[in-house]
Amino acid sequence: QLQLQESGPGLVKPSETLSLTCTVSGGSISTSGYYWGWIRQPPGKGLEWIGTIYYSGSTYYSPSLKSRVTISVDKSNNQFSLELSSVTAADTATYYCARHLGYCDSTACYKSVYFDYWGQGTLVTVSS
Amino acid sequence: DIQMTQSPSSLSASVGDRVTITCRASENIATYLMWYQQKPGKAPKLLIYGASSLQSGVPSRFSGRGSGTDFTLTISSLQPEDFATYYCQQSYSPPLTFGPGTKVDIK
Repeated sequence: QLQLQESGPGLVKPSETLSLTCTVSGGSISTSGYYWGWIRQPPGKGLEWIGTIYYSGSTYYSPSLKSRVTISVDKSNNQFSLELSSVTAADTATYYCARHLGYCDSTACYKSVYFDYWGQGTLVTVSS
Repeated sequence: DIQMTQSPSSLSASVGDRVTITCRASENIATYLMWYQQKPGKAPKLLIYGASSLQSGVPSRFSGRGSGTDFTLTISSLQPEDFATYYCQQSYSPPLTFGPGTKVDIK
């Protein structure tokens, strides 16, 4: 059974960089056709897609966060990571990693993109 | 970006009730519409993909319909474990976007 687990600091200071890692177990991050994404949810609010990476290293980011987001993959450790720079209180949220199927071309993911396995989520608070 | 809206934002229902939630897209998304269930403190769980395809392991009391801009999720007979918040998500056009959610609670 595929499992995903987020890890990283639960508290980040304003203007600093939020860094999280997602460890995948029960399956390979390098399996063809599967993509790996980050989604966040501010307390009491809805879901926001942050970005996606393929095992080849191809990345796809939400335009609203693109200038501050970097997603990377570590195939040897079956992990992928999120960095979000220059954080503010508005970045306080539960961050989820998830696997998705679907289609991603050279610039974006669309058509039949759905998240079928999720991590449990990790709350990151931005505060001094 | 394609905007997703859901109605109602919340509803109260009893065990055994038939419940229908609506999701509307700001433009045509064909059938690139997914439904998720989220319980408090838990990650979302995929219920429906492609507007009407039931994810493996999801009970058959859940069903999805629609195409274009208007979609519905129906729970044919609400069970105690179905009290949760339900989100729709489109993937027709980037970026991926979610609806604001519909909370289903106990009457």
